[in-house]
Amino acid sequence: DAKTTQPTSMDCAEGRAANLPCNHSTISGNEYVYWYRQIHSQGPQYIIHGLKNNETNEMASLIITEDRKSSTLILPHATLRDTAVYYCIVRVVGGGADGLTFGKGTHLIIQP
Amino acid sequence: GAGVSQTPSNKVTEKGKYVELRCDPISGHTALYWYRQSLGQGPEFLIYFQGTGAADDSGLPNDRFFAVRPEGSVSTLKIQRTERGDSAVYLCASSLGDSYNEQFFGPGTRLTVL
Repeated sequence: DAKTTQPTSMDCAEGRAANLPCNHSTISGNEYVYWYRQIHSQGPQYIIHGLKNNETNEMASLIITEDRKSSTLILPHATLRDTAVYYCIVRVVGGGADGLTFGKGTHLIIQP
Repeated sequence: GAGVSQTPSNKVTEKGKYVELRCDPISGHTALYWYRQSLGQGPEFLIYFQGTGAADDSGLPNDRFFAVRPEGSVSTLKIQRTERGDSAVYLCASSLGDSYNEQFFGPGTRLTVL
């Protein structure tokens, strides 16, 4: 799976949009971009994934650049409960090796 | 519905002892994963089951680590001759089986080897 690069930490004010960047310049054509987050002392939680089109669900939006070398996860109205470590993961789907490869992620801190 | 459960939530053992960690996946999920997370790091993949068989055990660090899933549901991670470096949170996840699907994680078992 391709390697990802994320900032170590970010702050965001409560109620504002949180924009979390991820670089994946070596991504292959058959690799998807996945985002998970991990709230302190809990297991990771799936947020969203995409291949090349932008995606939106009830939790977040995922914006993938046209060349697919980077993406941004957007939490539209951040709350204190969104404080967590956010992991950007690039992986082949259906390739048989289904384990997720986590990096160190971005520690997002929502400030009141 | 019930999520992924893991027991025990905490386990303290002494160096050299044998431990078993249990995972109960979401009912109907055919895929099951084990991960290990050390302090300040992201989770590290250990092994993946599809049904009863280990489809990918490339993440197991050495032959002291072994996992089983005899009936395709509950899984047990077994660690022999524990070492202090095995101290970590062991996470289990399950999914519907298609790698396209999201993985649902349990709360983890915190293992401390003294």
